[in-house]
Parts: sequence; structure tokens; C-alpha cells
Amino acid sequence: GAGVSQSPSNKVTEKGKDVELRCDPISGHTALYWYRQSLGQGLEFLIYFQGNSAPDKSGLPSDRFSAERTGGSVSTLTIQRTQQEDSAVYLCASSLPRAGGYTFGSGTRLTVV
Amino acid sequence: GIQVEQSPPDLILQEGANSTLRCNFSDSVNNLQWFHQNPWGQLINLFYIPSGTKQNGRLSATTVATERYSLLYISSSQTTDSGVYFCAVFSGGYNKLIFGAGTRLAVHP
Repeated sequence: GAGVSQSPSNKVTEKGKDVELRCDPISGHTALYWYRQSLGQGLEFLIYFQGNSAPDKSGLPSDRFSAERTGGSVSTLTIQRTQQEDSAVYLCASSLPRAGGYTFGSGTRLTVV
Repeated sequence: GIQVEQSPPDLILQEGANSTLRCNFSDSVNNLQWFHQNPWGQLINLFYIPSGTKQNGRLSATTVATERYSLLYISSSQTTDSGVYFCAVFSGGYNKLIFGAGTRLAVHP
């Protein structure tokens, strides 16, 4: 597609429920990244996928967080047993490998009540 | 890990004023990028600038990698420039950008 597409744009969930967030990167971009931005804060790295290589999961905050990327394209970020501190905007970005220009999606605003 | 510090944290300008935003980083970097996050939350890549100077309209950026800093210049500011400006660097490999805390800019008419 023309840009990075994320869905849903907003998600309200009850504490303890599981949620799935989706990212559809720009066609041809083999690098895909997930970041989290809490209210008024900077961006926190979560996970990075590059082609068929093993993902860099070093930023995932707990084992309740996982992500996969199917067919080298669409990625899903799953948060199990959501907690109120998981409330944030989850941003996805894609780029060409070893290239400077990241393109970010519009994000998913997650609210855990 | 690498530290990225931005200053000032907040900036208020009258329309038409010029400003300089600064980004310091603690270690050598492979590249540096400047982003603008508009009030609706969308992040836009402004510059990919590992070294040297680039200009795009009223914006320009300079990175002095040997001295570990980058500057973003905004000239003749407009209300649409409002938002948060982030500096981000790759360190080591290209697997993640490390973001600074941002400079929050408000341009008033």
C-alpha cells in the first residue's frame, strides 16, 4: 500500500483481556518495527523484524507481549492479560533494510479499563 | 546503551520567529533522523542526516557526528509547525532507532 496501515485505530478493552494489534507495512519494506508511546512520552522500542531473520525482541516489556510477522508482510502484536499500564499508543513503522527512512503508521490507541 | 538528549523540552514561539532545536547523543551513531509528531499523533520523517547539512523548505538540519550533536532549524515558524520534534539514532546495527524525549513546540498566531 501507499503507507503503513494499522488497525484498529482505537481499542478499549477490559483489564485481563487479550488484544491483537495489526500492522500492514509498505509493500517491499522488509524491515518492520513496533514502538509504544505512553501519554506525553517518547517512543519505546518493542520489537524489530527483518526479512526471515530472527526478530529482535529485546524491547518487549514482559512475556505477556508477543509479535509475529507472517509471510514477511503483515505483523500482529498480541498483548495477553492486559493491564492498565499497557494503555498507550502502539506505533508500527517499516523501512527498506539498512536504510534511513522510517515510515510510521497512525498508531493504535489502546485503553485498558 | 546510547543516550539521546534533546533541548529545550518545551518551546513557545510567535508565528514568524526562528528557532533551533538540539539533539546530543552519547556515542557514535550510524545515522540520525528527525521526526515531527503533529497534534494528531502522526509521525513524519523530516530528515535522515547522519552527517552534514540538509534543507527542506523552511527546515534545515545539521549533524556534526564527531561532536555528537545535531541541530534542527525552523525559520519563519507557522502554527502548523506545532507538535513534538523527535531526534532518533541508530546505534551499532540497524535494528532499532533510539528516540530522544522530544521538544514540544507551540507556535502561536
